[in-house]
Amino acid sequence: DTGVSQDPRHKITKRGQNVTFRCDPISEHNRLYWYRQTLGQGPEFLTYFQNEAQLEKSRLLSDRFSAERPKGSFSTLEIQRTEQGDSAMYLCASSLASDSQETQYFGPGTRLLVL
Amino acid sequence: GEDVEQSLFLSVREGDSSVINCTYTDSSSTYLYWYKQEPGAGLQLLTYIFSNMDMKQDQRLTVLLNKKDKHLSLRIADTQTGDSAIYFCADLPNSGYALNFGKGTSLLVTP
Repeated sequence: DTGVSQDPRHKITKRGQNVTFRCDPISEHNRLYWYRQTLGQGPEFLTYFQNEAQLEKSRLLSDRFSAERPKGSFSTLEIQRTEQGDSAMYLCASSLASDSQETQYFGPGTRLLVL
Repeated sequence: GEDVEQSLFLSVREGDSSVINCTYTDSSSTYLYWYKQEPGAGLQLLTYIFSNMDMKQDQRLTVLLNKKDKHLSLRIADTQTGDSAIYFCADLPNSGYALNFGKGTSLLVTP
């Protein structure tokens, strides 16, 4: 078990460009979560999936943000028309829904800088 | 949303005990968690406690929960320089999916 992995680890882009991040959860985990962390703050929940179903997306920050988990394994988070305010660390986590305490295990994050 | 609050900084000497405090407001919280974040890294789960417990011990870590006051603490015994990091408290509301984090406590351990 290699834990949650995220790719890329760092991304620098120009304002207005689209970016896509990938998350690979722990292999037997059926829930996958995306969070955003800005400097000096704790992570902020964005969205989550159970298998391939996106069960909560109302907390995505704007309609420029979207996420997919097409086969119930890896997930992608896309930000369209990036803005400087999107600069942050994007964290992915996974958990096992049958696990009574729903422990979420986090990946190393993707740090985004929008110039 | 409901708030989780932590003190922002704590400095201790190597070998001493550290106590990091957290308060939360959501009375429906089922589990409470402590995560550790080192510079530029993701979050590492340290420990968690179920809301009907008042204490949990795991090696050098002791978690105390006062559910009446909605107060959670993390005690690290024999603190080492490698414990220097940001520690986040988080609660899991009854909805059961979105962790609600505090802003983190930056722990500095000096030799």
